[in-house]
Amino acid sequence: AQTVTQSQPEMSVQEAETVTLSCTYDTSESNYYLFWYKQPPSRQMILVIRQEAYKQQNATENRFSVNFQKAAKSFSLKISDSQLGDTAMYFCAFMTTSGTYKYIFGTGTRLKVLA
Amino acid sequence: SQTIHQWPATLVQPVGSPLSLECTVEGTSNPNLYWYRQAAGRGLQLLFYSVGIGQISSEVPQNLSASRPQDRQFILSSKKLLLSDSGFYLCAWSRGAVYEQYFGPGTRLTVT
Repeated sequence: AQTVTQSQPEMSVQEAETVTLSCTYDTSESNYYLFWYKQPPSRQMILVIRQEAYKQQNATENRFSVNFQKAAKSFSLKISDSQLGDTAMYFCAFMTTSGTYKYIFGTGTRLKVLA
Repeated sequence: SQTIHQWPATLVQPVGSPLSLECTVEGTSNPNLYWYRQAAGRGLQLLFYSVGIGQISSEVPQNLSASRPQDRQFILSSKKLLLSDSGFYLCAWSRGAVYEQYFGPGTRLTVT
């Protein structure tokens, strides 16, 4: 069975600094997708970034980038130039491409950006 | 553009009462639909998902059930609520070929 582990329940970072959130996963499949979702205090969950397992290049979206290490089954999220609006719960998620369209979520990391 | 609605936003129900939470999606057709429950420290737990009308897959044996009476409508129900059903319920949709899931605003359910 696939599992997703986020070992950092809470983190904080000073505004304008860089922070990295960790995520590891376990699967026997070779084709899958990985995601980072953000859930601000208002509760609406939004997609931050996604990575296809067959792509070696790490995905980037503006200040957000990932470090995808397929052999190590690691998928960390780096937030550069942190802003107060980045304060949120961040969830790592895994989805197999086997056709079931099911996500497996980690337990989340609560990030607080300090002024 | 696509939007997803959930209601009610909050709900307080006594133990043993029935439940009906509704989720609708606009601006797309034949979406995959999902119900999650979010508990503190446990992330999101997938409860049900549906790839078409009348097609429901259950992930966790529980006191809840789901139905999809229309293409873009997904309903979460219970005949008799338990205290352990309290939580934050999220509905989500996705297009099969795109894979991202888009979440609704959620329903906070408190069973007293």
